[in-house]
Amino acid sequence: LAKTTQPISMDSYEGQEVNITCSHNNIATNDYITWYQQFPSQGPRFIIQGYKTKVTNEVASLFIPADRKSSTLSLPRVSLSDTAVYYCLVGDRETGNQFYFGTGTSLTVIP
Amino acid sequence: DTAVSQTPKYLVTQMGNDKSIKCEQNLGHDTMYWYKQDSKKFLKIMFSYNNKELIINETVPNRFSPKSPDKAHLNLHINSLELGDSAVYFCASSHWVGGLETQYFGPGTRLLVL
Repeated sequence: LAKTTQPISMDSYEGQEVNITCSHNNIATNDYITWYQQFPSQGPRFIIQGYKTKVTNEVASLFIPADRKSSTLSLPRVSLSDTAVYYCLVGDRETGNQFYFGTGTSLTVIP
Repeated sequence: DTAVSQTPKYLVTQMGNDKSIKCEQNLGHDTMYWYKQDSKKFLKIMFSYNNKELIINETVPNRFSPKSPDKAHLNLHINSLELGDSAVYFCASSHWVGGLETQYFGPGTRLLVL
């Protein structure tokens, strides 16, 4: 499975759009990308996932360029409650392996 | 109503003791996991079961033994607890839609070994 690299931490002001990029240079043809969010003292929670191009749901958008070597999680107009750790995972559609969490990105939203 | 539940939420025990953590999911999922999250917040897979069968066993000391009595339950028994076992243990279950897997995590069990 492709190794993922994310920034360790990011700060943002309330109301701004936040983009967190994950690098996965060795992503394979059948691999897909999933993002999870973890609040302190809670288990990770699914945010969004995709295979290519752009995916949007009520919480976030996921942008995957054509070469798929990176992906960007976009959180529109963040609030203080978006302060959390965000993990990017690469999963294999054939084997089902999607459990290698990297270091994650610790996002702090500032008032 | 809780999708994935774990008991106990907190566990404080002495070195050398044996303890168990229980996990139950009411989502009807076939796959369940155990993860360990250490003090540096690194989340590491330990075991995975599919329909009560062990399918993933990462490099975990054999003091850790998972047991799945049915596909809704995955328990973790730890023998001879060591200081380094102190961590938060998360259970998760997952399902597949369109070839993509989504995991649902429990609230975690905070284990402190003294």
